Order: sequence, then C-alpha cells, then structure tokens
Amino acid sequence: GAVVSQHPSWVICKSGTSVKIECRSLDFQATTMFWYRQFPKQSLMLMATSNEGSKATYEQGVEKDKFLINHASLTLSTLTVTSAHPEDSSFYICSARDHRRQGGSYEQYFGPGTRLTVT
Amino acid sequence: RKEVEQDPGPFNVPEGATVAFNCTYSNSASQSFFWYRQDCRKEPKLLMSVYSSGNEDGRFTAQLNRASQYISLLIRDSKLSDSATYLCVVIRGATTDSWGKLQFGAGTQVVVTP
Repeated sequence: GAVVSQHPSWVICKSGTSVKIECRSLDFQATTMFWYRQFPKQSLMLMATSNEGSKATYEQGVEKDKFLINHASLTLSTLTVTSAHPEDSSFYICSARDHRRQGGSYEQYFGPGTRLTVT
Repeated sequence: RKEVEQDPGPFNVPEGATVAFNCTYSNSASQSFFWYRQDCRKEPKLLMSVYSSGNEDGRFTAQLNRASQYISLLIRDSKLSDSATYLCVVIRGATTDSWGKLQFGAGTQVVVTP
C-alpha cells in the first residue's frame, strides 16, 4: 500500500516552455501533498505544501507564479513549471500523507520523482 | 547554519563491517526524527523512525541524543545492497506553520565494498 506515482518520470524541454508534473496517490487519499526539488548532491528542499481544495503554501524564496500548484482532488496534485529556464533543471519529487493517519503519523510517501532538463 | 547537517562521506565500508554516522539538528523544538535511504536518481524511502529510547530494526540501530541534538545510525554486518545515501530527516515542533514539514539533511553516502 501507500503508493505514489509521478508522471512524467523525465522530461526535456526548451527554455521558455511550461512543463506539468503530476503526482498521484494510488491507493490512499491524500489531503496534503508536498513538492520538493533536489539538485545534485544536495538535500531535498521543500518548495510548497499542497492541500486539497485550497491554495498551496509556498516556502520562502519559491516563486508561486513560476511554480503553479493545483490540488484538485484527494489523489492528484500537479506542479507546473512555467517559462522554464535551464536553472530550473532539477529532480522534482512529490510526497503525500495518508489523511487517515494525519493525526497520528508524520510519515510521507514519496513519488519516484521527475527529472526535468531545460535546454 | 543549516537546520540539519550530515557528513557527506563517502564512508567506504568492507562487506560485513559496521558503520555509524551522525546527523545534527539546530532546532531544539524538533519533535520527530527519521532516517531515509536514497539510491542514486531515486526517491527517498523511509528506513526507520528514531525514538527517544533508541530503536533497532534488524541490522540497523538508531539513537537520539536530545541534549546534544543529534541522531545516529549504525549499520551492522554491512551488505553490498546497503550502499546508498542515508538522509537524516527532522520535523520541527507542531506549530501551524511547520506541522508535518520534513527537513532533510544533504545525506551521508555509504559505499559497501566486497
């Protein structure tokens, strides 16, 4: 149980285009999903917290207009990188928390990640 | 200062040997602690939670030292499959702003050699 999928697993796009990444919880409902970014040999950095049916909460320094997050259902959150540039090339990982355990567990289940390369 | 700091390694360990490494955290209000494992170009996977009294899961032992603000991971009888980057993860105190947010260290690389 507790499987999270991401699509696509990798994407190459040209500078200036937008890329949408999907994060799905396959066998549980997730009221909260998190989006992270990881550069090589660095730690995962939380970008934003996404709550179903409400606006995402962005971490300091993350541009909300550049990284659009939509959490339309209990099983799907999307991250759109708008007008992507080479410096946005990174490994983007989502995670989801099982809402049934929200009060008792902080455990998050991670998606397999999306490797974005902007040329 | 980073909130969670780890020795990046690599720790080169002969198969069958024991390896241990620490992680320090700066926020004394931190409540929950975990070790995750991350293989190259993959997502992190939960290895184990770290409890105040220390805990063991097979060949893995985790300890928490709140006074000195560090956690440790010890791997006994290392296997080749233990080669990975081990991420220290801390959750701050349960305020409205920080509840449930994971703070990751940059990871400690372990390489187990035949």
